[in-house]
Amino acid sequence: DAGITQSPRHKVTETGTPVTLRCHQTENHRYMYWYRQDPGHGLRLIHYSYGVKDTDKGEVSDGYSVSRSKTEDFLLTLESATSSQTSVYFCASSYSYNEQFFGPGTRLTVL
Amino acid sequence: SQQGEEDPQALSIQEGENATMNCSYKTSINNLQWYRQNSGRGLVHLILIRSNEREKHSGRLRVTLDTSKKSSSLLITASRAADTASYFCATDAGGNQFYFGTGTSLTVIP
Repeated sequence: DAGITQSPRHKVTETGTPVTLRCHQTENHRYMYWYRQDPGHGLRLIHYSYGVKDTDKGEVSDGYSVSRSKTEDFLLTLESATSSQTSVYFCASSYSYNEQFFGPGTRLTVL
Repeated sequence: SQQGEEDPQALSIQEGENATMNCSYKTSINNLQWYRQNSGRGLVHLILIRSNEREKHSGRLRVTLDTSKKSSSLLITASRAADTASYFCATDAGGNQFYFGTGTSLTVIP
């Protein structure tokens, strides 16, 4: 969707390095989410936000942190990347508990 | 995990046929949604059905929900090659979290 973007779209990094993924939405949605998608696991929620500076953990939050200083931006940080964090990361936003709008994804490879 | 499961994992049909995929989940829900994901893209919302609804239609899509069996089905009628994608169910069990299933990969052969 044109209203939600992710950067970078692809990234290769080495084990132990910090990585930050950015999600930007122009829909003024209150809720934002970070998921990871892995074969055989579908999408799993990492962290979500229900407002500026309001965040909470999801199903697979270990090793990840998030920040939301503005309505439109939601950052996902891997403090020290590990090979198990190689995945495709999706950001999503919504204005309620209903329909989520997804970004195009970021493919992260940790060597 | 509260994650749902879709069945079958993969489905291949001829263009014009109907495609049916199922989703089972584990806990009581407020609503259930279906999403489509084309290869290499993000998910796109298709339809939402609330826990007090039993059936819902949207174009060629028909969704049913059986809360007693904790299951839902998605029917795509008169399938087209453009329907080739992966389909996911997502449940909202309250709070701000959604739980996605592992997906059904649908291939529609022209």
